[in-house]
Amino acid sequence: QKEVEQDPGPLSVPEGAIVSLNCTYSNSAFQYFMWYRQYSRKGPELLMYTYSSGNKEDGRFTAQVDKSSKYISLFIRDSQPSDSATYLCAMTTVNDYKLSFGAGTTVTVRA
Amino acid sequence: NAGVTQTPKFRILKIGQSMTLQCTQDMNHNYMYWYRQDPGMGLKLIYYSVGAGITDKGEVPNGYNVSRSTTEDFPLRLELAAPSQTSVYFCASSVGTAGNTIYFGEGSWLTVV
Repeated sequence: QKEVEQDPGPLSVPEGAIVSLNCTYSNSAFQYFMWYRQYSRKGPELLMYTYSSGNKEDGRFTAQVDKSSKYISLFIRDSQPSDSATYLCAMTTVNDYKLSFGAGTTVTVRA
Repeated sequence: NAGVTQTPKFRILKIGQSMTLQCTQDMNHNYMYWYRQDPGMGLKLIYYSVGAGITDKGEVPNGYNVSRSTTEDFPLRLELAAPSQTSVYFCASSVGTAGNTIYFGEGSWLTVV
């Protein structure tokens, strides 16, 4: 079993739709949860960062962490063509600086 | 702001050849990393370094070597290239505290034929 599971998609949605992405994990020690966005032929860049459980909102983006279910989500509201990218979840423990990544979900927002 | 800079961007190698991927960062980060990214497989850690002179293996170190003589530079050496090393390679750096943000370079596309 992979430590972090993420459906690679691809996911195609019309402009303005809500995009829902998620990851599951097996290591209950994970406390820091991140979402990275990666445009084609570019390096990943940090999009959202959450510590422990709960929700975090930043503009059109909402990150949710449910530690009891070992499940994290990223929601993109009012999606735009510029949101077309691969989204990778990543996580780590309080004692570590190395990240465990999901496989990434490729999202296309159609104009 | 340069951040993490990798060279070359693209390279084609023949089986058995060797090469070095260069990486430099200007953020004075102590921690540096090399990842490879294969389709549908996410990012796999090859090697990492917690400071000049200190390196350690990640998940997939076989066929690679690294060195860290300065804080800024963290080159990745591929010895005796094999088709299985065809991948996209990302260098990254971070401050190093738990849960810290990792900053990635633009990537190096390597094909071994």
